[in-house]
Amino acid sequence: AQSVTQLGSHVSVSEGALVLLRCNYSSSVPPYLFWYVQYPNQGLQLLLKYTSAATLVKGINGFEAEFKKSETSFHLTKPSAHMSDAAEYFCAVGPGNQFYFGTGTSLTVIP
Amino acid sequence: DAGVTQSPTHLIKTRGQQVTLRCSPKSGHDTVSWYQQALGQGPQFIFQYYEEEERQRGNFPDRFSGHQFPNYSSELNVNALLLGDSALYLCASSFLAGGTDTQYFGPGTRLTVL
Repeated sequence: AQSVTQLGSHVSVSEGALVLLRCNYSSSVPPYLFWYVQYPNQGLQLLLKYTSAATLVKGINGFEAEFKKSETSFHLTKPSAHMSDAAEYFCAVGPGNQFYFGTGTSLTVIP
Repeated sequence: DAGVTQSPTHLIKTRGQQVTLRCSPKSGHDTVSWYQQALGQGPQFIFQYYEEEERQRGNFPDRFSGHQFPNYSSELNVNALLLGDSALYLCASSFLAGGTDTQYFGPGTRLTVL
C-alpha cells in the first residue's frame, strides 16, 4: 500500500523567506515521488520528481526536494519565496498504475 | 506541443442525469488516467486506460465508466449523478510504453451537480 501525508494544510511565509513544505510517504516498494503545484481554477503542474536516481532533485521555479529513505520524507524547499509561488502544493507517490496524492498544502506569501 | 486538453471547462447537471467528460492526452502519450478532486482535497484516482482497456480502477462505483479511443483520447462517463459527484475532474496522460510514471495533467472539468 502507498500513501503520502502532508504536514500542515496551510503555510505562510514572507516574501524572500525560505519555503519548506513537508511530505512523508509510505510505500511497500521503492517509491517514485512527485510534487505538483496547482494555481486557482487550474490543473496540476509538475514541479519535480524522484525516480531513484539522485536523492536531491531540482525542479522548476527554483524548487528542490530531497529524498530521505531513513525518514520516509520528500520535503519541498525553495530558498527565497516569491509572490508568484502562492498556490496549492501536492505531494504524490507512485509507481504503479495510479498516484496517491496528499491532501495538499496551501502556500501564502506575505509581501 | 499541445499538452493535455479537457472539455468542457465547466458543466452543470442535476441529480440523476448522466455526464460525459473528454480528454486528449499530450502528444506521444498512450495512457490516460482520471482523477476526482473534491473541493479542498487532493485528487483521488478513478481509473486508468491503456490500449483501450481499463488497466486499474480506484475505489469508485460502477456509475463511473470510461473509454479510450484508438487515438488515445478518453472519455469519462458518470451515470445517475449525485450531489457528491460535484468536483473538479482531472485527466492525466503518461507514456507507459516509455517506462515512465510521470503523469501530466490537464486543466480539469468543473462539474456541478444541483
